[in-house]
Amino acid sequence: DAGITQSPRHKVTETGTPVTLRCHQTENHRYMYWYRQDPGHGLRLIHYSYGVKDTDKGEVSDGYSVSRSKTEDFLLTLESATSSQTSVYFCAISRTNRVGGANVLTFGAGSRLTVL
Amino acid sequence: QQQVKQSPQSLIVQKGGISIINCAYENTAFDYFPWYQQFPGKGPALLIAIRPDVSEKKEGRFTISFNKSAKQFSLHIMDSQPGDSATYFCAASMDRKSTFGDGTTLTVKP
Repeated sequence: DAGITQSPRHKVTETGTPVTLRCHQTENHRYMYWYRQDPGHGLRLIHYSYGVKDTDKGEVSDGYSVSRSKTEDFLLTLESATSSQTSVYFCAISRTNRVGGANVLTFGAGSRLTVL
Repeated sequence: QQQVKQSPQSLIVQKGGISIINCAYENTAFDYFPWYQQFPGKGPALLIAIRPDVSEKKEGRFTISFNKSAKQFSLHIMDSQPGDSATYFCAASMDRKSTFGDGTTLTVKP
C-alpha cells in the first residue's frame, strides 16, 4: 500500500456533525488525492493536493474541504455531514511509473463513512 | 458529461474463458490509460496501463487493446481464473489527474 494509512477505517456519524478523515503517507510524495467510491459511480475526485498548502477542487468538491499542512498528511473534512456523503473514501498518492514515466495512483485501504 | 464510459457493469465468465471489458473516452488530451483491479475491502491497485501511441500491451494473461481513432480501449483477461474475480476500473489521465469509469464487477465461475 506504499505506506498510505487512512484513519478512521470505519465511522458512523449523524447528519450535521463534522467529520475529518486523515490520510498519512510515509514516502514524501508531492501529489495526494481524495476520491469517493459509490456503487455505479466508480471513483470520483473530491480534492487533490500538489504540495503543502496547495490544494484544488475535483469534480465532487461541494460539502468538502481539505488541508495539507505537512507533506505526509492530507485531511478531508465534512463540515456538516449529510446522508448523501455516505460513501467509501479513498486517499491516493501519485507516483511515476518506472515503465514509461507516466503517473499512476496508489490507493489507501479506504475509510467507510456512514451518515445516519 | 461522463468522460470515461465503461461496460459492461457486471460480467460472469467460466474458468478458462476470456473476460473483456470496454471503455470509451471523450477527451483526446488524455495521455495515459491505466486499469485498476479492486478486491472487496481493499483499495484499487494498478493492473496494467498503456499510452495512446501504442495499440496493444500484454502482461501475462492481461492485455490492453487501444484504438486511438475510435477513442476506445479494452481489457482482455485470458484464461480467466476464480482469483480474477474483482471489480475492474478503467481510467484516463492527464496533468496528474485521473478520471475513472464506473467499474465492472467480474465473477469467474469455477
